[in-house]
Amino acid sequence: DSGVTQTPKHLITATGQRVTLRCSPRSGDLSVYWYQQSLDQGLQFLIQYYNGEERAKGNILERFSAQQFPDLHSELNLSSLELGDSALYFCASSVEDRGGYGYTFGSGTRLTVV
Amino acid sequence: GQNIDQPTEMTATEGAIVQINCTYQTSGFNGLFWYQQHAGEAPTFLSYNVLDGLEEKGRFSSFLSRSKGYSYLLLKELQMKDSASYLCAPSTSGTYKYIFGTGTRLKVLA
Repeated sequence: DSGVTQTPKHLITATGQRVTLRCSPRSGDLSVYWYQQSLDQGLQFLIQYYNGEERAKGNILERFSAQQFPDLHSELNLSSLELGDSALYFCASSVEDRGGYGYTFGSGTRLTVV
Repeated sequence: GQNIDQPTEMTATEGAIVQINCTYQTSGFNGLFWYQQHAGEAPTFLSYNVLDGLEEKGRFSSFLSRSKGYSYLLLKELQMKDSASYLCAPSTSGTYKYIFGTGTRLKVLA
């Protein structure tokens, strides 16, 4: 157990639907990062929050949004889902905002859009 | 921007030694991370090099040459469980996230 908790582990939903993925960072970590990994693809950075504030944005679609709450957990909202959104979504956390000591990854949420 | 280059796939035999190379181009370079990722699982931290040279950690060693924009991960006494993808990720000052290479998929054969 890495200390980063992601729920749910698996999600199957239909095209056009909306889902919410949840991440609780490791105790003491203030930064949360979201990554998308499609089949046989690399990790694509989506967005980062630090202590409730958005710090960096990657190639995140407009249909996707995220936030970090006062208790530091984060949610990634995916709407108007398409087949191509099927992927593993990883959350990672680090103690400070620049991740200089590396990330700790959660076990991921596998999203399947049918 | 950043450019990271790793071989897509490598194959080696159990008990052998394999070297996985990573070249990168980035501004404001701080250091370089290596992560291991088994299929369908989360990446796990292997090493972080800031200074030039080789750092050894058990069967795994990582090398960095800042001037050449080059790093490698050396795996000795390969075991079947080492079959995984190996991701390199430079960290840079002034940014808040890591950009990962596409990874090198290593297959260890009996």
